Amino acid sequence: DVKVTQSSRYLVKRTGEKVFLECVQDMDHENMFWYRQDPGLGLRLIYFSYDVKMKEKGDIPEGYSVSREKKERFSLILESASTNQTSMYLCASSLQGFFDNEQFFGPGTRLTVL
Amino acid sequence: AQRVTQPEKLLSVFKGAPVELKCNYSYSGSPELFWYVQYSRQRLQLLLRHISRESIKGFTADLNKGETSFHLKKPFAQEEDSAMYYCALSGGSEKLVFGKGTKLTVNP
Repeated sequence: DVKVTQSSRYLVKRTGEKVFLECVQDMDHENMFWYRQDPGLGLRLIYFSYDVKMKEKGDIPEGYSVSREKKERFSLILESASTNQTSMYLCASSLQGFFDNEQFFGPGTRLTVL
Repeated sequence: AQRVTQPEKLLSVFKGAPVELKCNYSYSGSPELFWYVQYSRQRLQLLLRHISRESIKGFTADLNKGETSFHLKKPFAQEEDSAMYYCALSGGSEKLVFGKGTKLTVNP
């Protein structure tokens, strides 16, 4: 059973703080993803990683960076949090090799920036 | 550009009624299409993918390349079908482009 876990379910931070969101998967998946989920906007891809230390920008990378030092762990970093980054953040992972591979999602982290 | 359009933000039906959640896509190549579902307080999960041609929880979806659509259908809706539904497209990549979602409510 694929398990994707995220370090926090709820997080409250202040404007300007550096924020780390952690995601871990236990199924040896090569691909990992970070999304934002906002009402009326759906899911938007922030960053994608297809291998350790490899990353690719998604549709909305501004204000975010990522780190993938180990295959199972993918971190999302908000260098200087702003109120417009208040959102639900979803991590996902998938096997590499086919375009129809299922993405497995974590439970999400609801981040509030005050 | 790859785009997924779900024209209905909200859809409300009565239990036992047919339900259709619309999805249109824009992609010049041969797409892979998916429906993902998020039940209340649960994580987002795959419902079905077009390549499988299977029925999951009574739902089916047919890819219509002529109309660039991948509508999700169920002949008799159940209350437990109430959820947020997202249509997603993979166009020659392992990344997904998601629609904005449709919130389905099935009333008793």
